[in-house]
Amino acid sequence: DTGVSQDPRHKITKRGQNVTFRCDPISEHNRLYWYRQTLGQGPEFLTYFQNEAQLEKSRLLSDRFSAERPKGSFSTLEIQRTEQGDSAMYLCASSFLQGDGYTFGSGTRLTVV
Amino acid sequence: QQQVKQSPQSLIVQKGGISIINCAYENTAFDYFPWYQQFPGKGPALLIAIRPDVSEKKEGRFTISFNKSAKQFSLHIMDSQPGDSATYFCAASFYSNYQLIWGAGTKLIIKP
Repeated sequence: DTGVSQDPRHKITKRGQNVTFRCDPISEHNRLYWYRQTLGQGPEFLTYFQNEAQLEKSRLLSDRFSAERPKGSFSTLEIQRTEQGDSAMYLCASSFLQGDGYTFGSGTRLTVV
Repeated sequence: QQQVKQSPQSLIVQKGGISIINCAYENTAFDYFPWYQQFPGKGPALLIAIRPDVSEKKEGRFTISFNKSAKQFSLHIMDSQPGDSATYFCAASFYSNYQLIWGAGTKLIIKP
């Protein structure tokens, strides 16, 4: 287990299609986070899980977005009816329950055309 | 109250020089202040972090200076190298939930 893995690395989709991203966190980490980053900006918080429970969800996350973390292991982020404004890098990170710092994955770059 | 303001937006430093990036925050309840380094096409990587009970933390060439009364903290990179060229983000959070509030980033270029 060498870090946080995200799949796919790149996704190009047509507007209106649904997409799903996967994140495999570091296995010992209890917390898993999703962030969105647009070019030239810092990441924006979307949601986080503690084990399998989704504890917080940003107002940025519209009804078209849903995230799951079944069994407290990997997580998926689904975007339904994609819009051009959804084009961004979607970053996953994990951390211990108590302790310093996240470990980020390399992200999934979504382009909606 | 939730914002973290970062400056400068971009910075060019000669090799061997000192790079300094500054951040300011409003919410005095923040209690964890990390700095992240991000290379193109990669996720951010934790560089160094500080809590408000100390005024300075040093790890190798990287130092965080923290001024609680001014609600400011800064990153100093000593002996800057071309490999340090990246985008640097400051952030702040509450230790209890680790939801990070990020600065807008500083693009650092180290000239050889």
